[in-house]
Parts: sequence; structure tokens; C-alpha cells
Amino acid sequence: GAGVSQSPSNKVTEKGKDVELRCDPISGHTALYWYRQSLGQGLEFLIYFQGNSAPDKSGLPSDRFSAERTGGSVSTLTIQRTQQEDSAVYLCASSFRRGAFFGQGTRLTVV
Amino acid sequence: AQKITQTQPGMFVQEKEAVTLDCTYDTSDPSYGLFWYKQPSSGEMIFLIYQGSYDQQNATEGRYSLNFQKARKSANLVISASQLGDSAMYFCAMREGSGSYNTDKLIFGTGTRLQVFP
Repeated sequence: GAGVSQSPSNKVTEKGKDVELRCDPISGHTALYWYRQSLGQGLEFLIYFQGNSAPDKSGLPSDRFSAERTGGSVSTLTIQRTQQEDSAVYLCASSFRRGAFFGQGTRLTVV
Repeated sequence: AQKITQTQPGMFVQEKEAVTLDCTYDTSDPSYGLFWYKQPSSGEMIFLIYQGSYDQQNATEGRYSLNFQKARKSANLVISASQLGDSAMYFCAMREGSGSYNTDKLIFGTGTRLQVFP
């Protein structure tokens, strides 16, 4: 597709389970960003990739969060042992030069 | 330290009027880019406009223009002829590093909620 694609669009999981969120960036975009947005709040930076490297992981809230990117393309954000405070919308964006474009997000609900 | 500041939590504007949403930033890097996004109630993040630090002219995209004042480190978004559909949250963002080849993270302000009334 032409835009950034995220899957799943919605995920309900039980507390303590692991989840994987996927981001498929726009073809050719070298930078990829992950953010978290709680209801009515701003965007919380999590991690970004330049190619397959993650120069800045400072936003990851705890060691339960990890992310990888392979082939300079698809990225996966993994949350282990999910907690209720992990419930939020997880947004991915990809960028090249003068634009940065977001996917539709994954709404994660931990019950 | 806050690098992107949006001081207006909420703004009201009448339909067909112009409105300015404020954004100030802080960086010591001479090369950076500034972005504005619209987030309607549906939740999608819509890219509106981009300004590079070395751009000679203020960016414009249709009814959106960016009032870039480099010395004051401000990058205000101007929406002309407001429409009811402009009601949304608006975020300002900055990326430090080369303006042509993104080299750093994109950081966001806290947003301004704009409401357009008839």
C-alpha cells in the first residue's frame, strides 16, 4: 500500500500476556518511529529506527518493551507481561526527507 | 528540558476566520525540521506542513501556512478561512539533524485543541 500500515488495529489482551504490534512503513522510508498515546494525551516517544539501527531507545518505559526492525522495512514492537497501564494507542510513523507519515495506530487494551 | 512548547491548550475560532496556533522550540542544532499535524476525533495523525530550518520562504499548503520566525524560534501554524472540519487537536513537532536526511527522533508538543464554531 501507499501509506504506513499497522496491525492489528485493535488488540485486547489479558494482563500478563505478551503482545506484538507490527508496523509496515512506506517503501523507501529510512526512519521509523514508535509512539504511545493515552486517551486525551499527547504523543509519548518510545523508540526510533534509522535503517535497522535504533539510535535512541530512551523512551521505552521499561525492559518489558522491545522493538526491532528488519531489512530496513517492517518493525515489531513487543510488550512482554502486559500491564493495565500499557493500555493506549500505539502509533508508528515513517519518514524520508521532508515528510513523516503515521499509520492508523493499534489500540491496545489490557484487561 | 521542553524542546517543543505549545502554550494554548485550547482555541476557539469562528467559521471563515483565520486562526494562529503557537509553537516555540528550542535547539542548538542549526539544521532541523518543523512539522504540524492534525488529529481529529477519529484519532488519525494527518501531516499538514513542513518547514526546514534552511528554507528561505515560509511553507504553505493550501489553507495552511507556517509563520517561521527563526530568531524567535517560533513556528506558528496559520489556518485561513476556518471550516467546521478543522476542529481537531493540532500538534507541532521538531526533528533535529540534517533537514534533508532525517537523522534524529521526532519530538512533539502537547497539542492545541481547536474548535471552530458556526
